[in-house]
Amino acid sequence: DAGVIQSPRHEVTEMGQEVTLRCKPISGHDYLFWYRQTMMRGLELLIYFNNNVPIDDSGMPEDRFSAKMPNASFSTLKIQPSEPRDSAVYFCASSFGGSGRETQYFGPGTRLLVL
Amino acid sequence: AQRVTQPEKLLSVFKGAPVELKCNYSYSGSPELFWYVQYSRQRLQLLLRHISRESIKGFTADLNKGETSFHLKKPFAQEEDSAMYYCALTPLTGANNLFFGTGTRLTVIP
Repeated sequence: DAGVIQSPRHEVTEMGQEVTLRCKPISGHDYLFWYRQTMMRGLELLIYFNNNVPIDDSGMPEDRFSAKMPNASFSTLKIQPSEPRDSAVYFCASSFGGSGRETQYFGPGTRLLVL
Repeated sequence: AQRVTQPEKLLSVFKGAPVELKCNYSYSGSPELFWYVQYSRQRLQLLLRHISRESIKGFTADLNKGETSFHLKKPFAQEEDSAMYYCALTPLTGANNLFFGTGTRLTVIP
């Protein structure tokens, strides 16, 4: 199993451009999480899904951010328009079950730089 | 609201010395506490969880409800322990979203 897969691994874009980050969770996992990692704030939960349905998006910073999960094997995080302060590493994670004790498995992350 | 605090952004210790990474939390209910670790060029991964009461790679962490702490300890640090460590909390009721601290970068000096 390749684990959680994220693409692209690196993204450099200019301010105002649309950015789309992609995630493929581990097969069979029913929870998917998007996190953002910055030096100042560490890891922050942006949004998570259960069985493809968004459950909590309170961590999404602004309306410029949106996330979808059209099926159990694919999710996207979109930023439109992007701004320099969006520069961060974005992680996707998945888990099986929702009792609160399951291990979350993280992808390698996408390093985003907005110029 | 839940909150996880890791007061040290950076921590350096010599090889063979004891190490303690501090974590304090605030939560009105009974949380599940975790330590995640990110080694250089590797994925963030679970190190240990308090409910398992296990020792992983020589690390242990005891949940102190009175002090609302979950400090990570190892009696003798090794060079391969150098990494970024995150303390995390999840509410036991409701969904299993993790609330992370800001992390502590541990450097073990040879």
